[in-house]
Amino acid sequence: AQTVTQSQPEMSVQEAETVTLSCTYDTSESDYYLFWYKQPPSRQMILVIRQEAYKQQNATENRFSVNFQKAAKSFSLKISDSQLGDAAMYFCAYRSGKDDKIIFGKGTRLHILP
Amino acid sequence: GAGVSQSPSNKVTEKGKDVELRCDPISGHTALYWYRQSLGQGLEFLIYFQGNSAPDKSGLPSDRFSAERTGGSVSTLTIQRTQQEDSAVYLCASSIQGLSNQPQHFGDGTRLSIL
Repeated sequence: AQTVTQSQPEMSVQEAETVTLSCTYDTSESDYYLFWYKQPPSRQMILVIRQEAYKQQNATENRFSVNFQKAAKSFSLKISDSQLGDAAMYFCAYRSGKDDKIIFGKGTRLHILP
Repeated sequence: GAGVSQSPSNKVTEKGKDVELRCDPISGHTALYWYRQSLGQGLEFLIYFQGNSAPDKSGLPSDRFSAERTGGSVSTLTIQRTQQEDSAVYLCASSIQGLSNQPQHFGDGTRLSIL
C-alpha cells in the first residue's frame, strides 16, 4: 500500500523569506501523480501544485515550486517570498495512476511571521 | 454552483444516534471520495467510488460506517450509533476518473459533533 509522510507537523517562516515543506512517499507503482494542497482556516482545500511522475522537470506555479526526486521518493514544496496569506495547513497527496486512489499525508501547519 | 456541495455544513447530535452526510459531486465527475479530518489532523481516507466499479471501502474505520452512491452521482455517508470519537470534519471530493493528473475538487465539509 502507498503511504505519504510529512515529517514536519509545524513550521514557521518570516514574511518574504523562503520555506521548504518536505514530503516523502512509498510506492511500487511507476505511474502516479503528486499534489500539494493548501487548507486555510476556512477549511476549503485548494490545489497548490501538481507533478506527474513521468516528468523530470520540477513543476512551478508562481511563488510555489517543487523538488521532485523520484528515486528518493521525495516531493518537497518550496514557497518563495512568503506572504501572510500563505499561512495554512499544507497536505502532500499521492494519486495512483492505476486506480485513481488518493492518499494524503498528515499535513504541515505553516505559520508566517510578520 | 459548479463545485462539490456537502450538506449539512454542521451537524450536532447525541451519542448513539445515526447520522447521514450528503455529497453532491461536480457533474460529470465519476470518482468520489470521502475523507475524515479530526481536529488539526490530516485527511483520513474512508471510501472511494469509481464509476460502476465496486467501491474501495478499505478506509472505513468500523462497520458502523457505510456509504452509497446512487445513480453515479450523489453520495451519502451514514454513521450508525455515533460515538464521540466520530466527531470530525467529513470531507467529500470528486474528480474525473481516468485522468489521474487532474486534482480532486473538495466540498467545504460537514463538521460533525457528537455530544
